[in-house]
Amino acid sequence: LAKTTQPISMDSYEGQEVNITCSHNNIATNDYITWYQQFPSQGPRFIIQGYKTKVTNEVASLFIPADRKSSTLSLPRVSLSDTAVYYCLLDSWGKLQFGAGTQVVVTP
Amino acid sequence: DTGVSQDPRHKITKRGQNVTFRCDPISEHNRLYWYRQTLGQGPEFLTYFQNEAQLEKSRLLSDRFSAERPKGSFSTLEIQRTEQGDSAMYLCASSQTGGYGYTFGSGTRLTVV
Repeated sequence: LAKTTQPISMDSYEGQEVNITCSHNNIATNDYITWYQQFPSQGPRFIIQGYKTKVTNEVASLFIPADRKSSTLSLPRVSLSDTAVYYCLLDSWGKLQFGAGTQVVVTP
Repeated sequence: DTGVSQDPRHKITKRGQNVTFRCDPISEHNRLYWYRQTLGQGPEFLTYFQNEAQLEKSRLLSDRFSAERPKGSFSTLEIQRTEQGDSAMYLCASSQTGGYGYTFGSGTRLTVV
């Protein structure tokens, strides 16, 4: 069973900010929170990873509260090409356990 | 380096036939993973290697499945006596111990007819 819980789907309009919250109540001390993006007929693509507080890169931000029991992926000003499935995972340098992910649909 | 390569991209086979897939990881990555993904589901872990050693196998990996990584470079995944339930996307990923994130290939889509 996946160790994370996230919404099944989210809809957004172009130019808006999309925030996907993931719950991971049983996160272990050595787990890093990692997000991947997947387009149809392609393998997942690494987006961002963090341990605590806030991490930002050129495509997304990741907010992690002090208790680390949840995290929020923020995608600023989404475009149509951001339509994809987004997976929240816990990574402790072993195998990754994927859930069903969140299908994000961006419309004009 | 062009990332993780998987071959073939698509494979159609008749039930009962054997198939073999190949994965070429990023050259400096010592870890290699195989996953299986069916429509509408997230990838399911099958097995992983550190260098040439197979360190973990999922219960999903029945006796008909075997994976190898000779010399710690490329890897092969073989499915014997294929069944229709084996139809899926087979994904390979690689990473470096202590590194940042996993790099996935584009997968091999298997259709068993």
